[in-house]
Amino acid sequence: GENVEQHPSTLSVQEGDSAVIKCTYSDSASNYFPWYKQELGKRPQLIIDIRSNVGEKKDQRIAVTLNKTAKHFSLHITETQPEDSAVYFCAAPPGYSSASKIIFGSGTRLSIRP
Amino acid sequence: AAGVIQSPRHLIKEKRETATLKCYPIPRHDTVYWYQQGPGQDPQFLISFYEKMQSDKGSIPDRFSAQQFSDYHSELNMSSLELGDSALYFCASSFQWAGGRSSSYNEQFFGPGTRLTVL
Repeated sequence: GENVEQHPSTLSVQEGDSAVIKCTYSDSASNYFPWYKQELGKRPQLIIDIRSNVGEKKDQRIAVTLNKTAKHFSLHITETQPEDSAVYFCAAPPGYSSASKIIFGSGTRLSIRP
Repeated sequence: AAGVIQSPRHLIKEKRETATLKCYPIPRHDTVYWYQQGPGQDPQFLISFYEKMQSDKGSIPDRFSAQQFSDYHSELNMSSLELGDSALYFCASSFQWAGGRSSSYNEQFFGPGTRLTVL
């Protein structure tokens, strides 16, 4: 079945440094890869997404890269700030439908040290 | 802009009781999804509806049922509640192209969630 693996499960970085979170997926038909940020008790918030027809996308301090051949995609946060502390989930909806469910990775708890 | 509305925001029930969670999607969104998130876990897909028909089913217990009404709002009915049902329940909505198929995946917008506590 569909599966999304995410690493690391926890990540602590010094404020101002970069953070990288990596995911792999199993469904070769997946063509959309969103990243969500979730603060404690709040809803998942989409922070960036990438579609399979591009290899990289950037939005200010956040970037996502995709390697479809290897079925890898990664989130890069540069110049981290205290408000970046949260749990981050990658996701890879199955490619069988544009209305398909979201399959989340297991999450990465990111802590920014002052 | 209007967002997904969920009610109630908090719910406390006893074991073996029933609960009904409601979700009001963003106007003109035709697809609703339900997710369950236990403490420290990632959200798990339960069920989805497109144009009032069930479109996909995930790890939803037989004790749970759901439907989407003519006004596109959805309700998740939970019976014989167990301690393990305590979780955050999120509803999300999206808009599909006519016929439910498009070449482009459409973003799901999440509601604020309902925190269910079973005692």
